[in-house]
This record gives sequence, structure tokens and C-alpha cells, in this order.
Amino acid sequence: GAVVSQHPSWVICKSGTSVKIECRSLDFQATTMFWYRQFPKQSLMLMATSNEGSKATYEQGVEKDKFLINHASLTLSTLTVTSAHPEDSSFYICSAPTLGGGGDTQYFGPGTRLTVL
Amino acid sequence: GQNIDQPTEMTATEGAIVQINCTYQTSGFNGLFWYQQHAGEAPTFLSYNVLDGLEEKGRFSSFLSRSKGYSYLLLKELQMKDSASYLCAVSGNNRKLIWGLGTSLAVNP
Repeated sequence: GAVVSQHPSWVICKSGTSVKIECRSLDFQATTMFWYRQFPKQSLMLMATSNEGSKATYEQGVEKDKFLINHASLTLSTLTVTSAHPEDSSFYICSAPTLGGGGDTQYFGPGTRLTVL
Repeated sequence: GQNIDQPTEMTATEGAIVQINCTYQTSGFNGLFWYQQHAGEAPTFLSYNVLDGLEEKGRFSSFLSRSKGYSYLLLKELQMKDSASYLCAVSGNNRKLIWGLGTSLAVNP
């Protein structure tokens, strides 16, 4: 159990375009999901907390108008990178917490590798 | 402030045992997690500790001392596939995880 999927796995886009990434909890409901970004050889950086039925909560320094988050249902959250630029190229990973591994455990999607040309 | 420390890199030999330490100082504590992350992949859950003591899961064990703000992940009978980054994370407030920078483990033949 506790499977999280992400789509797409990778995407290449032109500078200035928008890219939508989907995160789904497949076998459990998630009122909260988290979006992370990870640059090569660096640790995970939490971008925002996605809340079903309310606005997302963004971490300091993350532009909410650039990274649009919509938690459409109890199993789906989407992250849209608007007007993407090469510096947005990164590995984007979502997670959803559930009472799985003994506690309120976050299970991660497989990630989306974004390359902006 | 909030801080999680773990060694940056470790090296071990196939078949051996390795212990990866993690110390933490956080304003809230709802449990400590260990994740494994292979290069280019997302983290996968390994273990969870909320009470003091040792939790064993096959070749992997995790220990917690809340009074000392200390945890370790013990990997036995190391295999080449265990070469990965091991991330220590503490669950704070609002279900957020506070992450260490990870320990890159290289297992040599």
C-alpha cells in the first residue's frame, strides 16, 4: 500500500512555457501533499504544502504566482510551473503522508525531471 | 533554530556493517524517519522511530534516543545495491519533515 504516482516522469519545454505536474495517491486519500525540489547533489527542498479544499502554503522564498498548486481532490495535487526558465530545471518530487510505516509517514512519488531549454 | 546533522559521506565494504548517525535539534518532535535515495530517484521510506530504542527490519535497524537528540541507521550484510544516499528527517509541526543533508554511502566490493 501507500503508493504515490507522478506524471510526467520527465519533461522538456521551451523557456516561457508552462508545465503541469500531477501527483496522485493511488491507494489512500491525502488531504495534504508536499512538493519538493531537488537540484543535483543537493538535499530535498520543501517548496509548498498542498491542502485539499484550501490554498497551498508556500515556504519562504518560493513564488506562489510562479509555482501554482491546486489540490483538486483527496487523491490529486498538481504543480504548474508558469513561464518556466532554465533555472527552473530541477527534479520535482511530491509526497503524501499517511499512517503507514508506524507513524505519519510521507510516501514519495517517483519524481518529475524538468528541463527548460 | 532547527538543525539535523549527519555525515556527508561514508564508505564500507560489501558484507560489512555500517552505522550512519544523525543528531537533531528541532522545536517539535513527532518521530524520526530514515529514507534511502538512489541517484536520480525519489526517496523511499526505510524506518520510523518515535519511542526510544531499536527498531529492526531485516538487514536495516534504526535507533532513537530522544533525550540525546540522536538516532542511527544500522545496515548489516551490506550489498552493492545499498550504495545510496541515506536521509534522516524529523517530523515537526504541520506534518512537515525537517531534513538532514543526507549521507552518501559507497559500498565497495
